[in-house]
Amino acid sequence: GQSLEQPSEVTAVEGAIVQINCTYQTSGFYGLSWYQQHDGGAPTFLSYNGLDGLEETGRFSSFLSRSDSYGYLLLQELQMKDSASYFCAVRVGNSGNTPLVFGKGTRLSVIA
Amino acid sequence: DSGVTQTPKHLITATGQRVTLRCSPRSGDLSVYWYQQSLDQGLQFLIQYYNGEERAKGNILERFSAQQFPDLHSELNLSSLELGDSALYFCASSVASGRSYEQYFGPGTRLTVT
Repeated sequence: GQSLEQPSEVTAVEGAIVQINCTYQTSGFYGLSWYQQHDGGAPTFLSYNGLDGLEETGRFSSFLSRSDSYGYLLLQELQMKDSASYFCAVRVGNSGNTPLVFGKGTRLSVIA
Repeated sequence: DSGVTQTPKHLITATGQRVTLRCSPRSGDLSVYWYQQSLDQGLQFLIQYYNGEERAKGNILERFSAQQFPDLHSELNLSSLELGDSALYFCASSVASGRSYEQYFGPGTRLTVT
């Protein structure tokens, strides 16, 4: 099976940088994704790492180390609107259409 | 707007009842996934359909069932409802191609069982 661990809560100051870590245990690994969910909203895709290294998308970056079964999401120049829950997720199979197993989510609070 | 639609938005029903949740995927997406989100269990995969056929099953109870119709919309049927079934139910769809295999989530149906 698959399990993912991430911190339950993180607080950071507006304008700062925050890193949300995720460690995983999987029977097979097919990539790590990150989703953002605002209160009352739907999860929305942020980033995907299939190979080791850093992927950058604007203020958000995601990193993966497959040898350490570890990844992180880095949010820079934090804004109040970044207050949300962030989920790491792994795909359960190798084809393009496979379900995701999610971590329990990290609630990020951005304070002034 | 992800392009995935779900109805109804909210549903309040009593224990023992049966409800049907409906989902329409993005145009062209053949895969539909159902997820349940509750406070204690997080976001959990229930079941996946691909082009009308069941593709994968997760932590779906026997009281729950789903199907995908020829027009690709999907329905999740929940029966003999219990208080613990109160949760947000999301439907998602995905494209087969592309590097990220991202899933697009609908707005969800909030089910309250009283």
